[in-house]
Amino acid sequence: GAVVSQHPSRVICKSGTSVKIECRSLDFQATTMFWYRQFPKKSLMLMATSNEGSKATYEQGVEKDKFLINHASLTLSTLTVTSAHPEDSSFYICSATGANTGELFFGEGSRLTVL
Amino acid sequence: AQTVTQSQPEMSVQEAETVTLSCTYDTSENNYYLFWYKQPPSRQMILVIRQEAYKQQNATENRFSVNFQKAAKSFSLKISDSQLGDTAMYFCAFMKHDRVMRFGAGTRLTVKP
Repeated sequence: GAVVSQHPSRVICKSGTSVKIECRSLDFQATTMFWYRQFPKKSLMLMATSNEGSKATYEQGVEKDKFLINHASLTLSTLTVTSAHPEDSSFYICSATGANTGELFFGEGSRLTVL
Repeated sequence: AQTVTQSQPEMSVQEAETVTLSCTYDTSENNYYLFWYKQPPSRQMILVIRQEAYKQQNATENRFSVNFQKAAKSFSLKISDSQLGDTAMYFCAFMKHDRVMRFGAGTRLTVKP
């Protein structure tokens, strides 16, 4: 199947700093990418949908100024957590889909810990 | 908005036995996709099985099969001959044409030796 890679897999940062997480589609062009957040022992909650070259569409309750999403190319989307706080600590997962496919491909996830 | 409900937070089964995980969903759409994903401790999402709503035949992948009841909006997963490696979180998911995937709360399955 198609491969989606996230980097970094783990990141620890100090409160008040910004952290960037990358999501890459390695062997297909990802026209749409999605960012999810998962709390321990909970389900995946959709944060935003990003289409290449367009502004991301955020789910209700997700702060767009807090979670900056960029999808500048067909193989890369980034999630930047700005001015991170301990409550932003979580597992973030991206997924991607290409044109004419009815399936999402998931990255390995990134664990963010804010001290 | 679409909702996905998994009413079993935890399930357990003896190795080699069969277990069924329940999932219901709510939608006004006629064409959509349904999925079961497995999430082991590594947290990687692994596709178990997928079903297109327009197909009446239930999907099957080796030991995994679904019972898709479109009118009842039910999509249960049956795991036959359970193996220790099947121990994981299982998520039911719904996706329509816009490819936005929404997940149920998950069922933690434990396979006991």
